[in-house]
Amino acid sequence: EVQLVQSGAEVKKPGESLRISCKASGYTFSQHWITWVRQMPGKGLEWVGRIDPTDSYTNYNPSLQGHVAISVDTASNTAYLQWSSLRASDTAIYYCARVIMVASGGWLDPWGPGAQVTVSS
Amino acid sequence: DIVMTQSPDSLAVSLGERATINCKSSQSILYTSNNKNYLAWYQQKPGQPPKLLLYWASVREAGVPDRFSGSGSGTEFTLTIDTLQAEDVAVYFCHQYYSDPPTFGPGTTVEIK
Repeated sequence: EVQLVQSGAEVKKPGESLRISCKASGYTFSQHWITWVRQMPGKGLEWVGRIDPTDSYTNYNPSLQGHVAISVDTASNTAYLQWSSLRASDTAIYYCARVIMVASGGWLDPWGPGAQVTVSS
Repeated sequence: DIVMTQSPDSLAVSLGERATINCKSSQSILYTSNNKNYLAWYQQKPGQPPKLLLYWASVREAGVPDRFSGSGSGTEFTLTIDTLQAEDVAVYFCHQYYSDPPTFGPGTTVEIK
């Protein structure tokens, strides 16, 4: 069974750093990109970015470029999303998902359970 | 960016009746070289992550009940739930993967009347 297991909820202060994780199992990790999508309180879904595990090539949403970083550890089949300086506006549930890539994009299946990130002073 | 809109924002349907959700893209998401629409539909139940229902606008993911169907092409798409069941109460999102950044519709909430 393909599964994505995410790290737990985090509560941070503005300006702090954070790294959340997404561990994949049940498939060959290198064969599928991993994407991150966020859902702000009471809002819809916003694409954060994605990574190709074979070479760590990344694409980011231009609105978040430079504010977040996505990485992978192929030895542990784990993808990461990190911030060096959090803002209150980063408060959201962050989902990782496997991308079924076709050409330059693809659908997302499955999704991880999500990680709540709360940034508040 | 391609903007995705959905209508209605919410709808209440009686058990056993049909629910119809519309999704529009601000530009065509039909790739003419392969005649495929780069659109997926997801279901999100309260407290759960989204779950893939359909891709290529109309191809049902394995294990998804056949009461869920998708149609449309170009810029206008429809998700239909035939004979609504209680377990179908959820928010439904459309998603275009035609061009970066991938974008999602704002969601349609389906409730039982």
